[in-house]
Amino acid sequence: AQTVTQSQPEMSVQEAETVTLSCTYDTSESDYYLFWYKQPPSRQMILVIRQEAYKQQNATENRFSVNFQKAAKSFSLKISDSQLGDAAMYFCAYRGTGANNLFFGTGTRLTVIP
Amino acid sequence: KAGVTQTPRYLIKTRGQQVTLSCSPISGHRSVSWYQQTPGQGLQFLFEYFSETQRNKGNFPGRFSGRQFSNSRSEMNVSTLELGDSALYLCASSLDLREQYFGPGTRLTVT
Repeated sequence: AQTVTQSQPEMSVQEAETVTLSCTYDTSESDYYLFWYKQPPSRQMILVIRQEAYKQQNATENRFSVNFQKAAKSFSLKISDSQLGDAAMYFCAYRGTGANNLFFGTGTRLTVIP
Repeated sequence: KAGVTQTPRYLIKTRGQQVTLSCSPISGHRSVSWYQQTPGQGLQFLFEYFSETQRNKGNFPGRFSGRQFSNSRSEMNVSTLELGDSALYLCASSLDLREQYFGPGTRLTVT
């Protein structure tokens, strides 16, 4: 079964600084998708960024970018110029190509310090 | 375009009762997935419906069931509620096998 591991339960960052959240996963599939979701105190899960495993280029969405290392099964999220609104739980998620169910990590709580 | 909506947002039930939660997907999305979020178990996949058919199911007992209507709206039902069923239930919709967009969730408390 696929597993997703987030080894950092909590992280903090100064406003305007950069922070990297870690995620590793285990799978025997060669093609799959990886996602980062943000869950603020309102509890609404918000898609931050996605990465297709067949793409070597790392995905980027404005201040958010990933470092995808397929061989190492690593998928970290970098948040640049951190803002107070970035404070939330961040979940890394995996999805295979043949099914629509997501496997989530345990999450990293990010605190942004003014 | 309106997002995923879930009703009700909060619910308090007693052990042994049953409950039905509703999810309306984004217009045009035919896939609806349900997840349970608890502090102890995290986010776990319950099931997915596509075009009124259950396409995938997680590892939950048969007390958890669902269905999807022709307009893609979905309901999930939990019978014979247990204290451990207290959780945030999240619904997500997607175009087939694409990004999933989540609703605000239904917080169920079982007393």
